[in-house]
Amino acid sequence: DVKVTQSSRYLVKRTGEKVFLECVQDMDHENMFWYRQDPGLGLRLIYFSYDVKMKEKGDIPEGYSVSREKKERFSLILESASTNQTSMYLCGSGLAGVSYEQYFGPGTRLTVT
Amino acid sequence: DQQVKQNSPSLSVQEGRISILNCDYTNSMFDYFLWYKKYPAEGPTFLISISSIKDKNEDGRFTVFLNKSAKHLSLHIVPSQPGDSAVYFCAATDNYGQNFVFGPGTRLSVLP
Repeated sequence: DVKVTQSSRYLVKRTGEKVFLECVQDMDHENMFWYRQDPGLGLRLIYFSYDVKMKEKGDIPEGYSVSREKKERFSLILESASTNQTSMYLCGSGLAGVSYEQYFGPGTRLTVT
Repeated sequence: DQQVKQNSPSLSVQEGRISILNCDYTNSMFDYFLWYKKYPAEGPTFLISISSIKDKNEDGRFTVFLNKSAKHLSLHIVPSQPGDSAVYFCAATDNYGQNFVFGPGTRLSVLP
């Protein structure tokens, strides 16, 4: 079974703090994704990566950065957390060029106070 | 402007009947469409997908229909079961499978 793990299920941070969310997948997938999920808006793509050290902006990259130094690991960084970044963050991974289904981690509920 | 729309935020269906969840999209570059199911406190799980070259794909109780000219797809669940109660997301991607767009979701409640 594909496993996607996220470093924390719940996180509370203060405004202005630097926040790291980490995602690890164990299926050697090329593609990895970071989304945020907000009520009424569904999942919105923040960044994706199709290879080590490669990254592409999604629909809402402002205020976020990412890092992919190893194939299995994809980190989302909030350089200076703000209250409007309070959300559920979901990491996904998938194979390139085979099928487009993604496998998701359980999510991290981030609260910025 | 939302490129993938699910206009029904919620749907209630009796156990054993058909559930029909709808999705509309605006971007004609989308080439592949997927449905995901999400339970509370869990990540979404993949249900079924369809390529733009097909108009129907079936997997057990789940069937997805695609009407490309109308830019509309639907997910049929027959028969509906209480365990199907969840939020269902429609998603679309281009033929590179990298830039995904999700709809806002429809909460399905299957009543026993």
